[in-house]
Amino acid sequence: DVKVTQSSRYLVKRTGEKVFLECVQDMDHENMFWYRQDPGLGLRLIYFSYDVKMKEKGDIPEGYSVSREKKERFSLILESASTNQTSMYLCASSPDSRTEAFFGQGTRLTVV
Amino acid sequence: GDSVTQMEGPVTLSEEAFLTINCTYTATGYPSLFWYVQYPGEGLQLLLKATKADDKGSNKGFEATYRKETTSFHLEKGSVQVSDSAVYFCAPLGGSYIPTFGRGTSLIVHP
Repeated sequence: DVKVTQSSRYLVKRTGEKVFLECVQDMDHENMFWYRQDPGLGLRLIYFSYDVKMKEKGDIPEGYSVSREKKERFSLILESASTNQTSMYLCASSPDSRTEAFFGQGTRLTVV
Repeated sequence: GDSVTQMEGPVTLSEEAFLTINCTYTATGYPSLFWYVQYPGEGLQLLLKATKADDKGSNKGFEATYRKETTSFHLEKGSVQVSDSAVYFCAPLGGSYIPTFGRGTSLIVHP
């Protein structure tokens, strides 16, 4: 089975901290995605990557950056955490443009 | 880009009731269509899919038919259970390889 693993289920960070959310997939998928999920807003795409060292902005990239140094790992970075970044963060991967995405279990981040 | 419209929730049903969650989409090219389910505190997981017109995807008693002429992919189940309580997302995958999600529809099933 495909497995997408996010490093933490729950995180609490202080305003202004630099925060790293890690995601690893074990099926050699080309594409990886970071979404945030907020009540009433559904899933919104932050960043995505279609290859190692490649990244593209999604719909809401402000305040975030990403890193993909290895194919299996896609990191989301909050450069200076703010309270409005309190959210559920979901990582996903997919092998191509016709196949479903596989999701991690999510990281619930609280910024205080 | 791709977009999807789902019926607003929450949908509240009694156990064994019939379920329909409407989904219409716009997408480039000839999209694949997916329904995902999210149980409380979890990530999304694939429920069912269809890759061409008139295909019916099915899983766990849920069904959805790819209707190209109406750009719809409505989710149905004949008899819901309490364990079906979750949030359901319709997701077309069109010309880009980026999954697009609607706001999701919350389903609450009472005993």
